[in-house]
Amino acid sequence: EDKVVQSPLSLVVHEGDTVTLNCSYEVTNFRSLLWYKQEKKAPTFLFMLTSSGIEKKSGRLSSILDKKELFSILNITATQTGDSAVYLCAGRNAGGTSYGKLTFGQGTILTVHP
Amino acid sequence: EAGVAQSPRYKIIEKRQSVAFWCNPISGHATLYWYQQILGQGPKLLIQFQNNGVVDDSQLPKDRFSAERLKGVDSTLKIQPAKLEDSAVYLCASSLGPFTQYFGPGTRLTVL
Repeated sequence: EDKVVQSPLSLVVHEGDTVTLNCSYEVTNFRSLLWYKQEKKAPTFLFMLTSSGIEKKSGRLSSILDKKELFSILNITATQTGDSAVYLCAGRNAGGTSYGKLTFGQGTILTVHP
Repeated sequence: EAGVAQSPRYKIIEKRQSVAFWCNPISGHATLYWYQQILGQGPKLLIQFQNNGVVDDSQLPKDRFSAERLKGVDSTLKIQPAKLEDSAVYLCASSLGPFTQYFGPGTRLTVL
């Protein structure tokens, strides 16, 4: 059974701090690793990573994948209160005819204080 | 572009009652997913449709849960009868083939 584990489970920081969220995965026929941000409602897509060592960047957020060690990190620099959310990591398998299945981690709850 | 629509947004029922949720995916998205997200956990896939066919329902508790997507567009998920442990947010997502999934706002179900 595919498994995705995130750490830490929760994190409290002050505005301006830099945070690193971790995601390790065990996914059969691994295809890609996705990061989502979930505020009070639906998860919103951040990044999809398929290749090792290539950093994806969007503003203050960046992420990288290590397919040898089976993990990914999400970095957020100069955090703002609007970054407070649950960050979800999901591994996608190659999955036959089904375009693959996402297995989600339990999420990291990030709280940014002013 | 309109997003994934779900209704109702909230539902409170008593155990052993029935409940149904509705989802309308993004126009043109052939793949539709239903997830269950229990408080403090990540979403868990219940069922995946490709057009109107089921391609993965391995984690759907089939004794009480059912889902259909008759015309390959919108979908309904039903629980009958509901149990206390079914209290969760039910998320619908859609994708254009094997690409990024876009999520709807979810339906928060409370079973008393």
